Amino acid sequence: KAGVTQTPRYLIKTRGQQVTLSCSPISGHRSVSWYQQTPGQGLQFLFEYFSETQRNKGNFPGRFSGRQFSNSRSEMNVSTLELGDSALYLCASSTRPSGGELFFGEGSRLTVL
Amino acid sequence: SQELEQSPQSLIVQEGKNLTINCTSSKTLYGLYWYKQKYGEGLIFLMMLQKGGEEKSHEKITAKLDEKKQQSSLHITASQPSHAGIYLCGADRYGGSQGNLIFGKGTKLSVKP
Repeated sequence: KAGVTQTPRYLIKTRGQQVTLSCSPISGHRSVSWYQQTPGQGLQFLFEYFSETQRNKGNFPGRFSGRQFSNSRSEMNVSTLELGDSALYLCASSTRPSGGELFFGEGSRLTVL
Repeated sequence: SQELEQSPQSLIVQEGKNLTINCTSSKTLYGLYWYKQKYGEGLIFLMMLQKGGEEKSHEKITAKLDEKKQQSSLHITASQPSHAGIYLCGADRYGGSQGNLIFGKGTKLSVKP
């Protein structure tokens, strides 16, 4: 069974640009969560989607958005990038929403110059 | 909302030594998850504790949940270089089963051969 796949693994952007990250969950998993990890703040929850609906949202500005497709694949978008957005973005899938065991992808490392 | 504090922040041990990592919650724990992360990679699920007093083991790693103290401990016996990494505890965001997981900032473990 394939694990959670995130693309791209690494990317470099400049301030003001936007970025889209993709996540393919484990087959059969309908819940996808996104996290931002930085050395200073640790792992912070961005949002969670289940059956194409956003169920929970963390405390991030509106520049951070996401969506989920009918095949459970999810994308997150960050617009007007700032230097502080440099981080490892992790996607996790699970069989049910709101907690439970999460299966993480290897992440997308974003560097903003 | 709930917060998780881990101690110590980092730990260096000699191979073969035992060690303990603690995770303390600001609110009642209804479920506690332990994950391990290799630097710059995704998280790997270790175990989940749901009931006060519950104790689980996987190979040389044992985790306990003390509901009254709102605390969980992770104990590694006879540490090996393969145990090195970042250990993170996670709990349901709102102290129940309503939200997604929040995480502590992690404990970085180094094992000297």
